[in-house]
Amino acid sequence: DTEVTQTPKHLVMGMTNKKSLKCEQHMGHRAMYWYKQKAKKPPELMFVYSYEKLSINESVPSRFSPECPNSSLLNLHLHALQPEDSALYLCASSHRGSGTGGGGYTFGSGTRLTVV
Amino acid sequence: GQSLEQPSEVTAVEGAIVQINCTYQTSGFYGLSWYQQHDGGAPTFLSYNALDGLEETGRFSSFLSRSDSYGYLLLQELQMKDSASYFCAVRGSNAGNMLTFGGGTRLMVKP
Repeated sequence: DTEVTQTPKHLVMGMTNKKSLKCEQHMGHRAMYWYKQKAKKPPELMFVYSYEKLSINESVPSRFSPECPNSSLLNLHLHALQPEDSALYLCASSHRGSGTGGGGYTFGSGTRLTVV
Repeated sequence: GQSLEQPSEVTAVEGAIVQINCTYQTSGFYGLSWYQQHDGGAPTFLSYNALDGLEETGRFSSFLSRSDSYGYLLLQELQMKDSASYFCAVRGSNAGNMLTFGGGTRLMVKP
């Protein structure tokens, strides 16, 4: 299995809702990432998990809460979001700290989130 | 921190060759990667250079010069399906092994 699976593919939520984005990989990668991407912009890093521990939080507002239940799963819990949080949320994974695979990340197809 | 510069847009015709340049500034460097992203899709890993020189993968090649903090992606025998955004990205030396992306180059291939 060489894929990162993200669910749901699309999500519309109100500003008072609580929802979760899910990400799963079975490649044995020990680093997992959440990126946010606005239209016509590059992906921007939000969080990094390394060996199931949060290693980087790029000053993301607390209305975004990541969780890594095990080495294959990564969640992003959403609460009290703003319309400007509407974006494509991408999950990625990689081998930790090595050039294996040529330094490549494997991205999921993303969740397109709309906050109304 | 890290910053990467690449052209915002490139247009070429089918069958042609196009080169997308990327210059970077980074504290700590563990390689330059290239990703392709079609509209509405996920970024897909294309290539990676950790050392100076040219890496070839089919119609795509990538080049790195660490002394010049410069790299490029070369696409040969362009096809319509190559129309997409192309991002260069650097891996830093931080604990998270994180990628930082350039602004992206939108390639339009015309008949």
